[in-house]
Amino acid sequence: EDQVTQSPEALRLQEGESSSLNCSYTVSGLRGLFWYRQDPGKGPEFLFTLYSAGEEKEKERLKATLTKKESFLHITAPKPEDSATYLCAVQTYTGNQFYFGTGTSLTVIP
Amino acid sequence: DTGVSQNPRHKITKRGQNVTFRCDPISEHNRLYWYRQTLGQGPEFLTYFQNEAQLEKSRLLSDRFSAERPKGSFSTLEIQRTEQGDSAMYLCASSLGAGGHEKLFFGSGTQLSVL
Repeated sequence: EDQVTQSPEALRLQEGESSSLNCSYTVSGLRGLFWYRQDPGKGPEFLFTLYSAGEEKEKERLKATLTKKESFLHITAPKPEDSATYLCAVQTYTGNQFYFGTGTSLTVIP
Repeated sequence: DTGVSQNPRHKITKRGQNVTFRCDPISEHNRLYWYRQTLGQGPEFLTYFQNEAQLEKSRLLSDRFSAERPKGSFSTLEIQRTEQGDSAMYLCASSLGAGGHEKLFFGSGTQLSVL
């Protein structure tokens, strides 16, 4: 069965304190791995797509990496406005639906 | 491009009543998805359309749930005989599915509370 697991569930960082969020997956055939940001009361907002092991994508203070079993979202020198829930999702070749993890709730303290 | 629009933003209903939600996708997007999300959980897949055809439906989806996408434009999700367990955020997303490079654009969701 296809599974996506995110850790930690919650993370509190001081402003400027870099860290990483983890997304591990078990799927029959990975078509793509996606990172989304979700603010309270809003829908998820697309951040990155990764398609193959070794691929990396960057956007401002965020960098996403992918291996054959997991993906990391690295946050460098975070600011309070980076506080949100970060969701990981996978799309497989066996269907078109996207499987989401439960997310990591990030709080950045000034 | 005005993004994905969902209405209403909030819906409060009594148990046993029927409710209907509407989603207007990004105009050129051919795929439309419905997801459900409860507090502290990730979005859970409900169903998916390509143009007007409903191609996938979650095995966990009750028969009380039905979705349509007439003419391949907007979509509606109806829940009949609502139960308290239906309380959740209902999210709609659209995409331009092409060559495997697909990404979802979400609306702000409809928050359903069943009393």
